[in-house]
Amino acid sequence: QVQLVESGGGVVQPGRSLRLSCVASGFIFSSYGMHWVRQAPGKGLEWVAVISYDGSNKYYADSVKGRFTISRDNSKNTLYLQMDTLRAEDTAVYYCAKKYSNYVDWIDYWGQGTLVTVSS
Amino acid sequence: QSVLTQSPSASGAPGQRVTISCTGSSSNIGAGYDVHWYQQLPGTAPKLLIYGNSNRPSGVPDRFSGSKSGTSASLAITGLQAEDEADYYCQSYDSSLSGYVFGTGTKVTVL
Repeated sequence: QVQLVESGGGVVQPGRSLRLSCVASGFIFSSYGMHWVRQAPGKGLEWVAVISYDGSNKYYADSVKGRFTISRDNSKNTLYLQMDTLRAEDTAVYYCAKKYSNYVDWIDYWGQGTLVTVSS
Repeated sequence: QSVLTQSPSASGAPGQRVTISCTGSSSNIGAGYDVHWYQQLPGTAPKLLIYGNSNRPSGVPDRFSGSKSGTSASLAITGLQAEDEADYYCQSYDSSLSGYVFGTGTKVTVL
C-alpha cells in the first residue's frame, strides 16, 4: 500500500533554515509528480510546491517562491523541501502528497504531516 | 488568501442533505480546470473524496456527489451520517497564479 512518511519538522528561529523529507513506498516513486501542502494551526490547506516525476519541472506558491526549494531523489524514493529564511507565518503542518498521475492535478495520497514551528 | 471561496460551515441532522459550494473565477474553475474535493477528519490528513468534478474514488460512498457549473462547484452529502462530521476542501488549478489552489474549507457539523 502507498505510504508517505514525512520527517524533519521542529522548532526553528525566524530567518533560519530547515529541510523536510518524505520517504515514499508502495508505488513507483519515479513515475509520479509530488506536492507539498501545508496547514497552519486551525487554518485551511495551502498548496506550497509541486515537482514533476523526473524533477525537471518545479512550481511554487507566491508565498514561498524564492525561499523554498522542492527536490527529489528517485534513487532514494525521497521528496524534499528546503525551507530558507523562515518566517512566523510558515508555521504549519507540512504534508507530502502524491499526484494521481502526471496528466491530472488531483492528489490521491497524503502523508501524515510534520509540524514546523517558526518562533524565537 | 485562497482564490476559491467556500462557506465556513454547514450542518444537518442525520439523514439530511447538505450542500457545500466552492466559488472561483475565470482563471480557475471558470477556465475549465477540474475541481476536486477532500475530506479532513479531525486530527488526520486530508483524503480524496471527489476527483474530476464528479467522480468518486473506490471506497467513497455514493452519498457523496460533486458537480461543476460556470465558475462554481458543489459537493453534496445525502443521508448525512455522524462520521461525515469533518472539514471539506475543494481544489483546482489557477492559470493566473500558475499554481494549485485550495478552497477556504467548510466545516460540516452533524446535529
